[in-house]
Amino acid sequence: SAVISQKPSRDICQRGTSLTIQCQVDSQVTMMFWYRQQPGQSLTLIATANQGSEATYESGFVIDKFPISRPNLTFSTLTVSNMSPEDSSIYLCSVVVRAKYNEQFFGPGTRLTVL
Amino acid sequence: GENVEQHPSTLSVQEGDSAVIKCTYSDSASNYFPWYKQELGKGPQLIIDIRSNVGEKKDQRIAVTLNKTAKHFSLHITETQPEDSAVYFCAAKNSNSGYALNFGKGTSLLVTP
Repeated sequence: SAVISQKPSRDICQRGTSLTIQCQVDSQVTMMFWYRQQPGQSLTLIATANQGSEATYESGFVIDKFPISRPNLTFSTLTVSNMSPEDSSIYLCSVVVRAKYNEQFFGPGTRLTVL
Repeated sequence: GENVEQHPSTLSVQEGDSAVIKCTYSDSASNYFPWYKQELGKGPQLIIDIRSNVGEKKDQRIAVTLNKTAKHFSLHITETQPEDSAVYFCAAKNSNSGYALNFGKGTSLLVTP
């Protein structure tokens, strides 16, 4: 497995501002992803963070709203831009350590509240 | 795309009883089926998974079964304990179409002493 940390663990933000969430892994990983979990709901994939290139976004998510960076094999950031109360969610980083084994591990999440 | 349905949405059992959570999937090409446990305030934790070349897998009190023909898989927890109380998510993936997991809506399990 992998040890995944996220910063911040939680935040309360004002409408119209932006927040950048960091995801750090203790070892090099094959794949990194960002998910959103709205209150009481399941997990929805936002995008795949690609090292050194633009992220691959899922339907309904766009780069202007959720810019993502992945400068190396152990670190990624997700920015939630121009926030509204509808962006209040848990944002989760996940990783696949070894491609052939499929297992996907999740970080502890960042709990975002937008007022 | 893949559609994963999970039942029940809530489940309450007495300590020591068994709990069963069921999921169905739509994409017959899906070949990897993990289960996650999410405790309050934490990220999902991978507890067990099964691949399509296996019908059943056990790990102590937890087991998962897969019926490829019917396209459903189930999580079985025996001798439940209060610390098993959490939200459980099933997921499915087609390894030939990337790494993204398609999640069920979750089951909130409550184990009462």
